[in-house]
Amino acid sequence: GQQVMQIPQYQHVQEGEDFTTYCNSSTTLSNIQWYKQRPGGHPVFLIQLVKSGEVKKQKRLTFQFGEAKKNSSLHITATQTTDVGTYFCAIRERGSTLGRLYFGRGTQLTVWP
Amino acid sequence: NAGVTQTPKFQVLKTGQSMTLQCAQDMNHEYMSWYRQDPGMGLRLIHYSVGAGITDQGEVPNGYNVSRSTTEDFPLRLLSAAPSQTSVYFCASRQTSGGLYTDTQYFGPGTRLTVL
Repeated sequence: GQQVMQIPQYQHVQEGEDFTTYCNSSTTLSNIQWYKQRPGGHPVFLIQLVKSGEVKKQKRLTFQFGEAKKNSSLHITATQTTDVGTYFCAIRERGSTLGRLYFGRGTQLTVWP
Repeated sequence: NAGVTQTPKFQVLKTGQSMTLQCAQDMNHEYMSWYRQDPGMGLRLIHYSVGAGITDQGEVPNGYNVSRSTTEDFPLRLLSAAPSQTSVYFCASRQTSGGLYTDTQYFGPGTRLTVL
């Protein structure tokens, strides 16, 4: 199936520092979704990006979709302990409107107070 | 709305035993799917369904069966449990728009399965 590479696998930051996770695909994507999973919890949908070069913000979170629609990033400004968790990107199976969602392996964020 | 519910929350099986993980949603979603999550491996798709009576395989279907007799329910059956099936299992559902609008996927709380 389609693959999306997500880096880094782990990130440890001190509270107040910024954090960024990246997803990269070898093929052009129709859209990309981002999810957050708190420790012991289930993935929760954050956002979907569709347009080339799209930038969306949710408070301290900034999501970007690359101009070529092959990569995406999630940036958190001034992390807080509530940001702890694993962040996943997910892409839709190419060429199918009812397609499967493929998830990256996630970036596990730890925030030290 | 309860959203997506899963039972049981925890389960311990012995090798060779069979069991069914239950999943239900009350959002009238057409698309339902099962994922397993292992450390460092992300979420891998086991089986999915695009509507009642229609199911298909995902990335890691071996050792699992599914059926979809109603829109609401999508059980996952382990035929003969193996230690390699020790994992956290998530059921998910979403409406399907053909990409016309955001297809938010909703996950259940998960079932933590250990096979001894």
